[in-house]
Amino acid sequence: EAQVTQNPRYLITVTGKKLTVTCSQNMNHEYMSWYRQDPGLGLRQIYYSMNVEVTDKGDVPEGYKVSRKEKRNFPLILESPSPNQTSLYFCASRFTRTGVDGYTFGSGTRLTVV
Amino acid sequence: EDQVTQSPEALRLQEGESSSLNCSYTVSGLRGLFWYRQDPGKGPEFLFTLYSAGEEKEKERLKATLTKKESFLHITAPKPEDSATYLCAVQAGGTSYGKLTFGQGTILTVHP
Repeated sequence: EAQVTQNPRYLITVTGKKLTVTCSQNMNHEYMSWYRQDPGLGLRQIYYSMNVEVTDKGDVPEGYKVSRKEKRNFPLILESPSPNQTSLYFCASRFTRTGVDGYTFGSGTRLTVV
Repeated sequence: EDQVTQSPEALRLQEGESSSLNCSYTVSGLRGLFWYRQDPGKGPEFLFTLYSAGEEKEKERLKATLTKKESFLHITAPKPEDSATYLCAVQAGGTSYGKLTFGQGTILTVHP
């Protein structure tokens, strides 16, 4: 089944403890991206990657890192998490079918930083 | 800076009562406008992509239209299962090709 898989689904951590949220897609998509979703603020783009070894900042990149060493994986790294990074995170990859572009989203990772 | 504004923030309808959701946008060189549906606790689900003014797309009870400044999502004879948050997003062209900007969404509730 074609999908974007995020892990973990839920994570509670403490301030300053490095963590990685993984994202994997099995559709051979070149483009992948990360978003955070907060009440009243909607979905905001953190980072995106146009292809392997090509990444760029979205609207809210501060406090996050990403890497794209292979096409299928696009991990999100929080090297020193803070409580204001408590949020719902989504990974997505871009598809093209019958000439139409769109984005497939993962199921989300709910992160709580205490 | 790209901006997307959706209205209303929330919409309550009776089953069968047709209505429209609005998405106003400002973007430098629209590459695509996307509509998504999101159920609580789940990732957004793709509905439509529109590329140019005058374009229309339909799927079951939903129809999306696009002008140079806004897009509408028309819901005809909605059912309770259409209840969800509907998200609009724009993608710019040129050097901002990879950036995707979302609106805050419209929460739709359809009562039986």
